[in-house]
Amino acid sequence: EPEVTQTPSHQVTQMGQEVILRCVPISNHLYFYWYRQILGQKVEFLVSFYNNEISEKSEIFDDQFSVERPDGSNFTLKIRSTKLEDSAMYFCASSTPYNEQFFGPGTRLTVL
Amino acid sequence: LAKTTQPISMDSYEGQEVNITCSHNNIATNDYITWYQQFPSQGPRFIIQGYKTKVTNEVASLFIPADRKSSTLSLPRVSLSDTAVYYCLVGDITDSWGKLQFGAGTQVVVTP
Repeated sequence: EPEVTQTPSHQVTQMGQEVILRCVPISNHLYFYWYRQILGQKVEFLVSFYNNEISEKSEIFDDQFSVERPDGSNFTLKIRSTKLEDSAMYFCASSTPYNEQFFGPGTRLTVL
Repeated sequence: LAKTTQPISMDSYEGQEVNITCSHNNIATNDYITWYQQFPSQGPRFIIQGYKTKVTNEVASLFIPADRKSSTLSLPRVSLSDTAVYYCLVGDITDSWGKLQFGAGTQVVVTP
């Protein structure tokens, strides 16, 4: 069964550093998403991406965040200058139009 | 997006049927009801989706009464591996580029 993959599984970084979280969506999917989940809290939508541009973003997705699809397979989330409160699980998801989203296993980001 | 209310937690024994009811009084005509499951430290996983009446797949059944103001996810004969958080989501799947808004979900704990 095709699946969404994410790397790394765990990223530890110092406050103020840049991080890039990587995702490989399911190959025939056209919509891509990033969500995050702070420990013990609910899953929060960050951004959706379609046709090489952002479709929608939440209030969380400020100027420190950016997304990119650098090639035909990868989808990345960059955090320019990490803060302590960015520590969370980050989930990538993908879907075909009007169908369920498939989530990856997540990247645990720890900001020290 | 319609607000949903579901129990915070439910306990069950192996082999029993678990029914989780979700209230969504403000559901709109174009809204669908979708359930996701999340295991600890994993991404959410789609379980089932419906619009009205009853939907069944190999994992669960979804019962939706005529007024659609609530829905019940039914998990038949649960096992220990069904211990997870279950989320009820209501929204127009053709709207907002498929952004999913998760609530707190229902923590289901299955014991031997």
